[in-house]
Formats: sequence, structure tokens, C-alpha cells
Amino acid sequence: QKEVEQDPGPLSVPEGAIVSLNCTYSNSAFQYFMWYRQYSRKGPELLMYTYSSGNKEDGRFTAQVDKSSKYISLFIRDSQPSDSATYLCAGEGGGNKLTFGTGTQLKVEL
Amino acid sequence: EPEVTQTPSHQVTQMGQEVILRCVPISNHLYFYWYRQILGQKVEFLVSFYNNEISEKSEIFDDQFSVERPDGSNFTLKIRSTKLEDSAMYFCASSDRTENQPQHFGDGTRLSIL
Repeated sequence: QKEVEQDPGPLSVPEGAIVSLNCTYSNSAFQYFMWYRQYSRKGPELLMYTYSSGNKEDGRFTAQVDKSSKYISLFIRDSQPSDSATYLCAGEGGGNKLTFGTGTQLKVEL
Repeated sequence: EPEVTQTPSHQVTQMGQEVILRCVPISNHLYFYWYRQILGQKVEFLVSFYNNEISEKSEIFDDQFSVERPDGSNFTLKIRSTKLEDSAMYFCASSDRTENQPQHFGDGTRLSIL
């Protein structure tokens, strides 16, 4: 079983839509969770960083963590074409080592 | 906003040669990392480095690999005797002085082994 699983997509939505991106994880040692955005030929760009279960909001982005079901989500409101990218979730369970999912490719269309 | 910078952006090397990938982490960060991403695959952890020594490494990071902080600003990854399967994007990351702070990534070096 993979430690972090994501649907690879591609996910295509119209501009202005609410986007829901999801990950499941199996490692109970994960304490911190991150969402990164990766544009083509660029490095992962940190979007959200969460520790506890619950919601964290930053602008149009909301990260949600449910440790009881080992499920993490990223919601993007009022999606824009510039949000088109690959979204990576990652967990960290000690030693500062991040374990990434394969990423979900998102395309926001005009 | 401060960022992690990596050079070169693309490195082409003959199989069997040694390469050194360079990174300048964010200036007040004390934890440094290398990750790699083979084309079409997920980002994978290689090594973490703190206080001038390796703090954790993955199974990928074998004797072929080494890391060094040669001065107060650079952090390097050396790959000896490169193999075709070393072709990948290599990302450097850094995080703040306290543990469990988010990691910030550079844009990577694309390594092509011929």
C-alpha cells in the first residue's frame, strides 16, 4: 500500500468553480501535512501547511485534515486559469522527511 | 520573498561521470534536503542535513551519493559514477531553524545521463 495516494487526474473544471483535491495516507506517524503546487518544469511551491485535524484557510485555499480517517483535502474557491498545475500532498512524520503523493493535475478552463 | 536557488537548471553528463548539483538555501534556514523526481513519478526524499551532518537518508541515497555544505551559503549533492537511472529532476529544499517547519523548494536541476 502506498503511503500517500492521490488521484492523478487530470481534473478539468470551468473558471470560477470550486475545486476539491484529496489524498489518503496510511502512515499513522504523519503529524504534519502540506499541499504544494507544481507548475511544469518548476519546483513544488508551498500552499498550505497544517498540523492538527480541522480546517485551515488562506485566501481562496482551504486545507482540511481528518486524522481519524487519514484523509486530507484542499479546496480552491473561485478557481482561475492560473491555478492550472499539479497539486501535491505530502505528509511528514518525523525526521523532517516528506512523503509525497503522485500529484493531481488540475486544468481550469476559460 | 526569499527563495531557494539551484544551479545548473539542466545538466547533461555521460554515464560514469561525476556530477555536483548546487543549491543556495534560504539564508536563515538550518535544515537542508535533497529530493528527486523521475519523469512521471512522485517526488522522493533522498537526504536531510542539519548541523553539518546527515540527519536522515533514504534507501536511494547509497554510497554513490554525498552531500556537503562547503561554505555558509551553498549546499551540494554529489553523484559519483552516474547511471542512466539517475536521470531525474533533483530538488533542493530548506526549512527554518526550528524542527517541523515547512520545507521550501527550489526549481530543481534536470539531470540527463547519456
